[in-house]
Amino acid sequence: ETGVTQTPRHLVMGMTNKKSLKCEQHLGHNAMYWYKQSAKKPLELMFVYSLEERVENNSVPSRFSPECPNSSHLFLHLHTLQPEDSALYLCASSQGFSYEQYFGPGTRLTVT
Amino acid sequence: AQRVTQPEKLLSVFKGAPVELKCNYSYSGSPELFWYVQYSRQRLQLLLRHISRESIKGFTADLNKGETSFHLKKPFAQEEDSAMYYCALSGRAGGTSYGKLTFGQGTILTVHP
Repeated sequence: ETGVTQTPRHLVMGMTNKKSLKCEQHLGHNAMYWYKQSAKKPLELMFVYSLEERVENNSVPSRFSPECPNSSHLFLHLHTLQPEDSALYLCASSQGFSYEQYFGPGTRLTVT
Repeated sequence: AQRVTQPEKLLSVFKGAPVELKCNYSYSGSPELFWYVQYSRQRLQLLLRHISRESIKGFTADLNKGETSFHLKKPFAQEEDSAMYYCALSGRAGGTSYGKLTFGQGTILTVHP
């Protein structure tokens, strides 16, 4: 598959569960991003990785833990989430200084 | 702090009518502004950026620093323009120049036949 892929597309988890979201980009980019899109809020930047190093943590609670093992893969590890964490989580990538970010389809997360 | 405001959540026009989607921003530095679009069942994608000063799918947007606005305009709307439109402003991420985009809340544009 081309572009930016995300798995799973839908996830339902309890507050005590641990799960991970996966993002993969097939574009040769060197920067990757996690965004949160809630129903009543603008798209919010969570994390930025550049060349596999985290360069931005936008005051995200520690129950969200990102991991970038290489420039093509990005994970978001989730544990002890709250119902208000239910949202669409979008991954994006870009090349260098370009602000043109390529988005994945998102993972719809529901915390029960 | 940087902020992007899109005052209209919903905007409806008829085919062939002009359309303007409003975007206002606040940013202490020199901004870079973008419009992203999400068509039904498609991913969020870049529509245009103010630096390139180009027209994409008939849309244009002019950065007005005096009014801190970056409104998106099209003289004759088409049904295929129906989508969610997001205005975004760039900043800096940490100590690097990688893009940190701040998005507005989005405007759903519906073009009726």
